[in-house]
Amino acid sequence: SYVLTQPPSVSVAPGQTARITCGGSNIGSKSVHWYLQKPGQAPVLVVYDDSDRPSGIPERFSGSSSGNTATLTISRVEAGDEADYYCQIWDRSSAHVFGTGTKVTVL
Amino acid sequence: EVQLLESGGGLVQPGGSLRLSCAASGFTFSNYAISWLRQAPGKGPEWVSAITSGDDTYYADSVKGRFTISRDNSKNTLYLQMNSLRAEDTALYYCAKEGAARGTYWFDPWGQGTLVTVSS
Repeated sequence: SYVLTQPPSVSVAPGQTARITCGGSNIGSKSVHWYLQKPGQAPVLVVYDDSDRPSGIPERFSGSSSGNTATLTISRVEAGDEADYYCQIWDRSSAHVFGTGTKVTVL
Repeated sequence: EVQLLESGGGLVQPGGSLRLSCAASGFTFSNYAISWLRQAPGKGPEWVSAITSGDDTYYADSVKGRFTISRDNSKNTLYLQMNSLRAEDTALYYCAKEGAARGTYWFDPWGQGTLVTVSS
């Protein structure tokens, strides 16, 4: 089955840029979606189809994908961005697959 | 505003059964595929099952043959019948509306979840 690998943690100072990677075999050929999850809350979609944002999601959140790595970039990080982040793809043979998750800490 | 509200979770013994419900509002329920997902304590989300607007059903291998997804469009409600429950089914269960484009699918929004605990 398809595996998506994320770094367990990323730390970033307020106002700086956080980059969260999602590694998978030829992931650049698939569409990647990203969610954030704050403690005690349900996941929230922040990027879909590699780089599109749902309404209400700030432009500070952006996505890209190429080769074996997809990246969620959070610009001008705020304290409220502290959360767990998960990537997700749909694959015809594996169905829906989620990444291992990355905890973003704002210093 | 799209809202999804799960119910029906609880404590059940191994081998037991439980039926979850997901009440939807704020959109034309019958037009959309809806999924069940779960999240075990301290773990990431895991997709469990989906039902399309045309009533096609799909299951993760881990629940195939034990869980059954269904929908009642007249009640705007999704169900998950869970039989032969195991300890590893313990999780917070979410329903989520599926988005789709260009052959890919995502989940937006998610409900707040209902907790299922399988333990003796």
